[in-house]
Amino acid sequence: GESVGLHLPTLSVQEGDNSIINCAYSNSASDYFIWYKQESGKGPQFIIDIRSNMDKRQGQRVTVLLNKTVKHLSLQIAATQPGDSAVYFCAENIEGAQKLVFGQGTRLTINP
Amino acid sequence: DAGITQSPRHKVTETGTPVTLRCHQTENHRYMYWYRQDPGHGLRLIHYSYGVKDTDKGEVSDGYSVSRSKTEDFLLTLESATSSQTSVYFCAISGASRGETQYFGPGTRLLVL
Repeated sequence: GESVGLHLPTLSVQEGDNSIINCAYSNSASDYFIWYKQESGKGPQFIIDIRSNMDKRQGQRVTVLLNKTVKHLSLQIAATQPGDSAVYFCAENIEGAQKLVFGQGTRLTINP
Repeated sequence: DAGITQSPRHKVTETGTPVTLRCHQTENHRYMYWYRQDPGHGLRLIHYSYGVKDTDKGEVSDGYSVSRSKTEDFLLTLESATSSQTSVYFCAISGASRGETQYFGPGTRLLVL
């Protein structure tokens, strides 16, 4: 089975609020993590990545946090907008295995 | 989706017929992948390629074959389509290695009746 999972399958937030999407991983040998966004009818879109030698990385309105102690990854989206509605999923690269393992995804819904 | 196209985008076919899906990239990336995406299963790797004429199986390769005769094109063939192969198929590419960021195409929605 997949080693990457998600705490919540759905998440609803108010427009303008911050969103936090979580991801747990079980392989301590994972050294690289990616967050993807998938809108309805489209392919997954790269959002942000982080390597295991970092704890935090920021992009435009998004921040990824990595806690290696508890094997937890999160994606924070600031000031959520209607266009942020999508399924978000994480992926991990297991060092040595040379492949990406994808999580199932969390559906983010923005309430007006 | 920039740099990656898939064709056709939608296809309806009948059980037992052969189907070929095409992925075309303009990024000159070494690695190309075919995934299927189904509810409850997420993305599952079918086959991948690490160079022209170099391919290998993924986790759900039964019933599928691939070919890569040029860097830019990766074909997925269902030799005899079955209803269980109804799915959305995504092509992806990566440059450095299989463990690096993969960029996805827009997908092909296949319905096998």
